Amino acid sequence: SQKIEQNSEALNIQEGKTATLTCNYTNYSPAYLQWYRQDPGRGPVFLLLIRENEKEKRKERLKVTFDTTLKQSLFHITASQPADSATYLCALFYNTDKLIFGTGTRLQVFP
Amino acid sequence: GAGVSQTPSNKVTEKGKYVELRCDPISGHTALYWYRQSLGQGPEFLIYFQGTGAADDSGLPNDRFFAVRPEGSVSTLKIQRTERGDSAVYLCASSLTGLLAGGNEQFFGPGTRLTVL
Repeated sequence: SQKIEQNSEALNIQEGKTATLTCNYTNYSPAYLQWYRQDPGRGPVFLLLIRENEKEKRKERLKVTFDTTLKQSLFHITASQPADSATYLCALFYNTDKLIFGTGTRLQVFP
Repeated sequence: GAGVSQTPSNKVTEKGKYVELRCDPISGHTALYWYRQSLGQGPEFLIYFQGTGAADDSGLPNDRFFAVRPEGSVSTLKIQRTERGDSAVYLCASSLTGLLAGGNEQFFGPGTRLTVL
């Protein structure tokens, strides 16, 4: 079965630096991949979607890359701020009715 | 309402009891999803509704779990004979259309935290 890996350990970075989070998957590549943000006690919030045939997507301070050879997506937050502290989830779509979510990586940005 | 709402926000019950969790999706969204999220894990798919019908219930763990959406809007997730292992946050999400129809963005509710003692 498909396996998705995100760093289970929290990522701690200093304000102003670029945060890079990783999403690795096994087996075959998804049709597209999404990134969500989740704050404690809240549901996930959609951030970005990148398709199989796209290398990179940007939205304000966010950038997502998708490498089907490495079977990996990277999620970058530039000029990070304490307000960016949250758990970030990747979710994969395989042309079915459902998304498959990773376990998420907790990001902590300290001043 | 402006977003997806779920009630109750917290539910504590005893092992063996029956519980119902409610989801109010965004008005006009035809697709509705239920997920379960355990501590330190990502959301795990349970069931997907397109309109009134359950289009995919392959994620329901066993026959103690059942969900309905009788009028194509509000949905109720029902759990019979609850077990301690059912304790988790139950999330509901809706989207304008289903994933296969291009409904890429799912809007999540805040979840119901279920604790089975």
